[in-house]
Amino acid sequence: DTEVTQTPKHLVMGMTNKKSLKCEQHMGHRAMYWYKQKAKKPPELMFVYSYEKLSINESVPSRFSPECPNSSLLNLHLHALQPEDSALYLCASSQRASGGGGTGELFFGEGSRLTVL
Amino acid sequence: EDQVTQSPEALRLQEGESSSLNCSYTVSGLRGLFWYRQDPGKGPEFLFTLYSAGEEKEKERLKATLTKKESFLHITAPKPEDSATYLCAVQRVTGGGNKLTFGTGTQLKVEL
Repeated sequence: DTEVTQTPKHLVMGMTNKKSLKCEQHMGHRAMYWYKQKAKKPPELMFVYSYEKLSINESVPSRFSPECPNSSLLNLHLHALQPEDSALYLCASSQRASGGGGTGELFFGEGSRLTVL
Repeated sequence: EDQVTQSPEALRLQEGESSSLNCSYTVSGLRGLFWYRQDPGKGPEFLFTLYSAGEEKEKERLKATLTKKESFLHITAPKPEDSATYLCAVQRVTGGGNKLTFGTGTQLKVEL
């Protein structure tokens, strides 16, 4: 079983809805990530939080709004999404986000499958 | 710009038929090269980290090796449960934050 838990597993929303994806880890990791993955494509980095501060935003549209309330939790708030935003959204964590070993060893959750109608 | 190319895109093996997956990379200053396994509809699962040319790592039927330009994932006597997509990713030493550049993966199917 993965030690990174994502909810919900599946989400269907309309373009005017507001919803949130949630992620939790209890491994004491200090870096957390949101990735987006389309079918038969590799994961694409969206955001990186390091010690609860946003350290990387890969020019993601503002309709995606990340939040890191504490070192164990990561949220992704969704608003006014487009059908092309439908994808598997993956949360991951690592020991830290910089400064040497352990940074590329990401532990992924099982993902939230998002469908935008 | 960092680039990762994996080949073949898809590979079908009979159970027990050993083979290798290739990951060619271009990065200005390699901090690490990572192999992940991904089952359909699931998140990737970390397998190996390789840091320098000549390094090798093994886990059960899998062995990863690294040169200055490419990495190989050798699968010895595979079983059907080894069927998955195998992703390679690179991390650069500086300027990349903690951004991994992933390849598009090799989809492996092992048949009885």
